[in-house]
Amino acid sequence: QVQLQESGPGLVKPSETLSLTCTVSGGSLSDSLYFWAWIRQPPGKGLEWIGSGYYTGDTYYNTSLKSRVTISLNTSKNQFSLNLRSVTAADTAIYFCARDHEENFDYWGRGTLVTVSS
Amino acid sequence: SYDVTQPPSLSVSPGQTASITCSGDKLSDRYVSWYQQKPGQSPLLVLYQDIKRPSGIPGRFSGSNSGNTATLTISGTQTMDEADYYCQAWDSSTRVFGGGTKLTVL
Repeated sequence: QVQLQESGPGLVKPSETLSLTCTVSGGSLSDSLYFWAWIRQPPGKGLEWIGSGYYTGDTYYNTSLKSRVTISLNTSKNQFSLNLRSVTAADTAIYFCARDHEENFDYWGRGTLVTVSS
Repeated sequence: SYDVTQPPSLSVSPGQTASITCSGDKLSDRYVSWYQQKPGQSPLLVLYQDIKRPSGIPGRFSGSNSGNTATLTISGTQTMDEADYYCQAWDSSTRVFGGGTKLTVL
């Protein structure tokens, strides 16, 4: 059974960088069948795909966030990370990591709330 | 960028059939997935590749995708099916979610 767990600060100051890590167990980031994704959900709102990374280093990002986002994979630790730069209050959300089968996200973490506030 | 649209809400009585739509340009050219999200929980994949159910998803969940509209159908809706439902499509290496439909069962 694949499990994903997000970790990172719950509070980030405006203009700083939001950094989160997702630790995967029961599956390998090096599995060629899957990408690994970050998805967010502002409080009371819908889901927004942020981007996905592949073990080769390939990445795909939401065009609306592309200029501020980096997703990277550490296959030796079976972890992948999200960096979102220059955050504002609009980036306050629950951030989920998920296994990305391109056409669908079949396993999700429980999510972590990140609040952007001074 | 590609967009998909859902109605914000739908209300059905227990035992009735709920049909939640997802609209997008030539949507049938793409596979659509559907997710159920209950309050305080992560989304749960309930349908993928338009019509397939992951292991453990009840048979009352079914789907279709034709033309510009994909539909998630819940037959014999139960109170436990009350949740937000999101469609999701894949286009040119990007993934897009619909805005979600709040299904109320009462």
